[in-house]
Amino acid sequence: GDSVTQMEGPVTLSEEAFLTINCTYTATGYPSLFWYVQYPGEGLQLLLKATKADDKGSNKGFEATYRKETTSFHLEKGSVQVSDSAVYFCALSDKAGNNRKLIWGLGTSLAVNP
Amino acid sequence: GAGVSQSPSNKVTEKGKDVELRCDPISGHTALYWYRQRLGQGLEFLIYFQGNSAPDKSGLPSDRFSAERTGESVSTLTIQRTQQEDSAVYLCASSPLEGYTFGSGTRLTVV
Repeated sequence: GDSVTQMEGPVTLSEEAFLTINCTYTATGYPSLFWYVQYPGEGLQLLLKATKADDKGSNKGFEATYRKETTSFHLEKGSVQVSDSAVYFCALSDKAGNNRKLIWGLGTSLAVNP
Repeated sequence: GAGVSQSPSNKVTEKGKDVELRCDPISGHTALYWYRQRLGQGLEFLIYFQGNSAPDKSGLPSDRFSAERTGESVSTLTIQRTQQEDSAVYLCASSPLEGYTFGSGTRLTVV
């Protein structure tokens, strides 16, 4: 079945460092891909998404490109801030029928130090 | 409402007791999902409601778990005879098409 694999955390960076969180997937069809973020004490929020190959999702300085050839959707940010400390989840949308339930990675915890 | 509302935010219950968790989705969102997030793990799909269609219950871990939704409004997740392994954060999300809006979750602790 469809699945999502994320790099394990925790990831610890200094402020202004470059961030990459790897995400790869397996899917039988053409899923949409998502990154969600969970800030401490808050609910999950959609960070960005891409719906087809070569699409780039971007938001708040974060970017991820839907790479069908490598089945990847790596999250990147050029200069992280302390406020980016959170848990990041990669997910894909199962488009079978009308059921759009998401399939999730295990999450990657990011801590950014000043 | 402005967001997905879940209640209670925290629940401590004794092993063997029943609990009921509530989710109030965003008005107009036809899809509603329940997920479970155990400590240090990813999200585990439990159940999915889409309008008046039969719900997808394929993620419910045992017959102690059940959920209801009336139309496109409030949903309740019921766990009967709770066990310690049921301790987790239970998340509800609603969606118009793609991309969810999550509630803040109910943290359930079974002692």
